Amino acid sequence: EAGVTQSPTHLIKTRGQQATLRCSPISGHTSVYWYQQALGLGLQFLLWYDEGEERNRGNFPPRFSGRQFPNYSSELNVNALELEDSALYLCASSSGTFSSGNTIYFGEGSWLTVV
Amino acid sequence: AQTVTQSQPEMSVQEAETVTLSCTYDTSENNYYLFWYKQPPSRQMILVIRQEAYKQQNATENRFSVNFQKAAKSFSLKISDSQLGDTAMYFCAFADNYGQNFVFGPGTRLSVLP
Repeated sequence: EAGVTQSPTHLIKTRGQQATLRCSPISGHTSVYWYQQALGLGLQFLLWYDEGEERNRGNFPPRFSGRQFPNYSSELNVNALELEDSALYLCASSSGTFSSGNTIYFGEGSWLTVV
Repeated sequence: AQTVTQSQPEMSVQEAETVTLSCTYDTSENNYYLFWYKQPPSRQMILVIRQEAYKQQNATENRFSVNFQKAAKSFSLKISDSQLGDTAMYFCAFADNYGQNFVFGPGTRLSVLP
């Protein structure tokens, strides 16, 4: 069974440009989470999508946005890139609630470098 | 909002010895889930162990066990017989039942020394 897949692995953008990162969840998973991990720091929650809807959002400016498609894949868009947006962006997926032994499973991440 | 705190930014342990990583959290909910994730240098996040708040029994997974103190809102991870491959960042995480809040602590960098 394929795990969570993210693309691209690495992305280099210029300040002011837009970046789009993509995530395919594990088959059967309907929830997708996005996290930002700046170098040497922890995971900061960005967005949570479930069943195609944005359910929760972290403390990030509106230029961070995304969507979830009918097949439950997701993309994260970052507009007007700033140097401090350089980070590892991690996507995770889960199915249903956590009462049945679930957790969230992570992809390998997308490295975004803003120059 | 739920918060997760890890008060030990870095720790080290000799190979084969035991180490305990600390985690505290803050929540007003009664039903929730706690996790420890490991992030080795490869950056792949790996689930180590999970605990349901309604279970009094502490979770164990091979060399990994937790000490869950619900009243104190404490969730520590004990690694027994430490191995070189345990060297990684360890993140404590909290989740409510519906997944709306899945938050991580700042992490503890663990080094296992030969």
